[in-house]
Amino acid sequence: EAQVTQNPRYLITVTGKKLTVTCSQNMNHEYMSWYRQDPGLGLRQIYYSMNVEVTDKGDVPEGYKVSRKEKRNFPLILESPSPNQTSLYFCASSFRTHSEAFFGQGTRLTVV
Amino acid sequence: GNSVTQMEGPVTLSEEAFLTINCTYTATGYPSLFWYVQYPGEGLQLLLKATKADDKGSNKGFEATYRKETTSFHLEKGSVQVSDSAVYFCALSGIQGAQKLVFGQGTRLTINP
Repeated sequence: EAQVTQNPRYLITVTGKKLTVTCSQNMNHEYMSWYRQDPGLGLRQIYYSMNVEVTDKGDVPEGYKVSRKEKRNFPLILESPSPNQTSLYFCASSFRTHSEAFFGQGTRLTVV
Repeated sequence: GNSVTQMEGPVTLSEEAFLTINCTYTATGYPSLFWYVQYPGEGLQLLLKATKADDKGSNKGFEATYRKETTSFHLEKGSVQVSDSAVYFCALSGIQGAQKLVFGQGTRLTINP
């Protein structure tokens, strides 16, 4: 089954404690991205990757890092989380930037 | 800049009512347009899309037509069901120089039996 898998689904952490949210896709897509969803703001892109070892900033990259060492994986790293990073995070992949995007089920992160 | 504006929600309708969710966009060039749906506790999934002017996307009884002259992509359904309750996002992509989907703020739809 074609899917994008994120882990964990829920995470509560404390300010400053490094964390990683994993994302994996099984569709051999080249393009992957991370979004955060906040009430009234829709989804905003954090980072994207057009292929292995190629990543770039989206609209709201501050406080986040990503890596793309393999085509299928695109982890999101928060080196020192802060409460304003409390949000619902989605990973997405697609064949091209303007083709249908497939989304993971989301990770609800709370930073206290 | 490039942006998408959706009608504000929440929207509450009775079962079998007619649904319209308005979406207008601002973009340079000729974007592809999408409607995504997010059911409770799930990620977004593509509902329908249109890639050029006058195209009509349709799926599960929903329709939307790409109107270049009015820069709109309104979502419609003739008879909604309780199972259509969800958050609906209008989005565009394929803009020159922008490697991403640009989303509207989402419209929460609740259908009462």
